[in-house]
Amino acid sequence: DTAVSQTPKYLVTQMGNDKSIKCEQNLGHDTMYWYKQDSKKFLKIMFSYNNKELIINETVPNRFSPKSPDKAHLNLHINSLELGDSAVYFCASSLRGSPPQHFGDGTRLSIL
Amino acid sequence: QQQVKQSPQSLIVQKGGISIINCAYENTAFDYFPWYQQFPGKGPALLIAIRPDVSEKKEGRFTISFNKSAKQFSLHIMDSQPGDSATYFCAASDDYKLSFGAGTTVTVRA
Repeated sequence: DTAVSQTPKYLVTQMGNDKSIKCEQNLGHDTMYWYKQDSKKFLKIMFSYNNKELIINETVPNRFSPKSPDKAHLNLHINSLELGDSAVYFCASSLRGSPPQHFGDGTRLSIL
Repeated sequence: QQQVKQSPQSLIVQKGGISIINCAYENTAFDYFPWYQQFPGKGPALLIAIRPDVSEKKEGRFTISFNKSAKQFSLHIMDSQPGDSATYFCAASDDYKLSFGAGTTVTVRA
């Protein structure tokens, strides 16, 4: 049983396109996150939601827009993709007040 | 600006040896220090964590040592096994926001 699942696993697209990544967790956690891992493996938080409310919004271009339809889902929509957006994006979840405990296996985004 | 500094970038250890990874931080508001293990193609997995009121925590072959006054903490992997070959990240948390170190790639040679 996958605890945090992301789709798609791979995403290859052209510069300028719009794409979405979906994330679902079945752990009953109330807080979800998006992290970006660059080519040097550095992990940086992008967003966090608690019970559908945005609680962390790091310095991320406004081309990135998270959406949380319910506390088990957190999607990431990216407009006008740029070469620098190429990275692995990880979804994670936890209980409020705790750091991320479970990560998905990532979505590898490649911009051509 | 990286809030948690991790070293070394990589290390190679023989099977049965000890792997040691060190981290340092500046923000005294950090109150939770987890370590994550990441295999290629997978997400980070929480390995072990410590709070600053404890100087050492051991879980199986993994031990965290924490020095609050020096603002340093380290991960020791005892009796290293080939299956421990992975990238290890230290992190520090202020409430629920994690700041990660840059990662250490550990290779265990059989």
